[in-house]
Amino acid sequence: DQQVKQNSPSLSVQEGRISILNCDYTNSMFDYFLWYKKYPAEGPTFLISISSIKDKNEDGRFTVFLNKSAKHLSLHIVPSQPGDSAVYFCAARGSGNTGKLIFGQGTTLQVKP
Amino acid sequence: GAGVSQSPSNKVTEKGKDVELRCDPISGHTALYWYRQSLGQGLEFLIYFQGNSAPDKSGLPSDRFSAERTGGSVSTLTIQRTQQEDSAVYLCASSFQGEDNEQFFGPGTRLTVL
Repeated sequence: DQQVKQNSPSLSVQEGRISILNCDYTNSMFDYFLWYKKYPAEGPTFLISISSIKDKNEDGRFTVFLNKSAKHLSLHIVPSQPGDSAVYFCAARGSGNTGKLIFGQGTTLQVKP
Repeated sequence: GAGVSQSPSNKVTEKGKDVELRCDPISGHTALYWYRQSLGQGLEFLIYFQGNSAPDKSGLPSDRFSAERTGGSVSTLTIQRTQQEDSAVYLCASSFQGEDNEQFFGPGTRLTVL
């Protein structure tokens, strides 16, 4: 049972435009959400996170939005740059004393120059 | 560099053989995680070590999988009697104590079971 879903396996965007990556989850007990970015042959690197008590978190070109009623979060990248081309993973953490993360399948973003 | 390191980077083995994958976490990180990524899938949690507490093994897919962490530092993931469905990239991550701390990932070990 996939508790975190990224339904778009790929996304192509023109440089300078906005990239929107989406993620849905099923478990209402998740209290913390993260986005990771992964380049080929490298491990994922942390990008941005949001607590379930917030609905928006912004860090430079990256903004994460959380809609708890819809169990949906999204990552906005604006303006998109060719160096943003990578696989983006959405992840969620359950409440309680655990650090384990539940990941989505990933979305491959291609930013065209 | 002082990042998480994993060895080997690639491992090809025959079905039925045992394999050991190693993870060296960032110095000072008390939490260590193992995940795996099968082809076309997201990262799947396997096991979590936090200090001297009993590990969270809830993600291990079968009793062929085990992991240990010696001296609170290096960890070894062992897969016995490997099967073709074990083929995946095995990723290790570490973090400071506390669930809010960022997990830093290693580059992974690509395991191929023939």
